[in-house]
Formats: sequence, C-alpha cells, structure tokens
Amino acid sequence: EIVLTQSPGTLSLSPGERATLSCRASQSVSSSFLAWYQQKPGQAPRLLIYGASSRATGIPDRFSGSGSGTDFTLTISRLEPEDFAVYYCQQYDSSPRTFGQGTKVEIK
Amino acid sequence: QVQLQESGPGLVKPSQTLSLTCTVSGGSLISGGYYWTWIRQHPGKGLEWIGNTYYSGSTSYNPSLKSRVSISVDTSKNQFSLKLSSVTAADTAVYYCAREPIDWGQGTLVTVSS
Repeated sequence: EIVLTQSPGTLSLSPGERATLSCRASQSVSSSFLAWYQQKPGQAPRLLIYGASSRATGIPDRFSGSGSGTDFTLTISRLEPEDFAVYYCQQYDSSPRTFGQGTKVEIK
Repeated sequence: QVQLQESGPGLVKPSQTLSLTCTVSGGSLISGGYYWTWIRQHPGKGLEWIGNTYYSGSTSYNPSLKSRVSISVDTSKNQFSLKLSSVTAADTAVYYCAREPIDWGQGTLVTVSS
C-alpha cells in the first residue's frame, strides 16, 4: 500500500499570499495518477488537479500541480477568500488507492 | 462530466448490512474505461477509499474492509452498489460514490445506531 504524507497539517496564510502544499509518497507514483482535491465544510471533495499537473475543468489557473516519483506539490499562487479549505492528495496508480491525511489552509 | 447520486438508508442497526446505490446520469458506466469508486469520510476526519469496480465487474477493495465489503455494477440501470456487512458505530460516515478521479456524488450520511 502506498502511504501519502501531506505537509504541513495546517497552513495559516493571508489572502493574496502563496500557498505551497506537499504530498510525499512512500513509493514511486506514476505522475499520471496523482490527484489533488479541495474540500469545504459540508461539501464533497472537488477535483483540482489530475495527472499531477493537469487542471480539471473550470479550475482557475492560480492552482498548479507539479512533481514526480515520490514528491508532489500543489501551489496556489495568490490565495482568494474561497480557497481557504482542506486539500487532499490521492494516488490512483495502484490498489488500494490512498489519500493523504489533508492540509488545512486557514486564514491567518 | 457525469452526475452521481447516492441513495440508501441513512440509519442502519449494528450488525446489519449497509447497502447504498450510486446512480450515474449524463454518461454510461461502460464507456470511457473509468473505475467507479466508493469512498467514505468519518465525521471530522479524512477520506478513506473503500473500493472500486470496473464495468466488467472486476473489483478491488481496501484490505482493512475487504472481509465485509462488496461492490457490484448493474450496467442495465447505470448503477453501482456498495454492501458493507456487520456494521458497527465505527462505520458511521458520509459515503461518497465517484467516477475516479473526476466526478463525485454529494455524499450521504449513514449512521449506525440501534
């Protein structure tokens, strides 16, 4: 089973700042099969990034994904008020699929 | 983009079987080569992958739940289903169905209580 470790657990930032979220895998993940999701309270997760770096339909270009192998990053270039949420990475390269434990981006 | 909708009882008694159905609209289960997935989220916690199925009926399960879980597909109804047996309070969660990794249902809260 591939274990995904996200860091930091919580990120306290102000609107307009840059957010950098990390997802580290216990073994190599094909870049084609790494996704990032955003979840707000009471809502289902929303796909932001698939294939490590491809933005999903309708996702603003301030969200970008990068990385390969065991280290992946989600960057939000300038935080908007609606971006404060919890973010999860997921590998769908092998079964069982696994999620990171999440990073909460909160308003400083 | 397809739409997915979970349905099933919101309350299940301990030791019984939790049964949920996901209805897919706006697209076919048998097209596109996608995996159809169940995920759950315990209150205030992270996401837990339960398992998935392909339209052919092949399945894969989370090892921690494998002895209790079954996922099946009904292509004639464009639905796939989850059964989780011998439930306890620890199975209380919001259950999501999804077309991996793109589209998710809104989720349904299932509470296990007598």
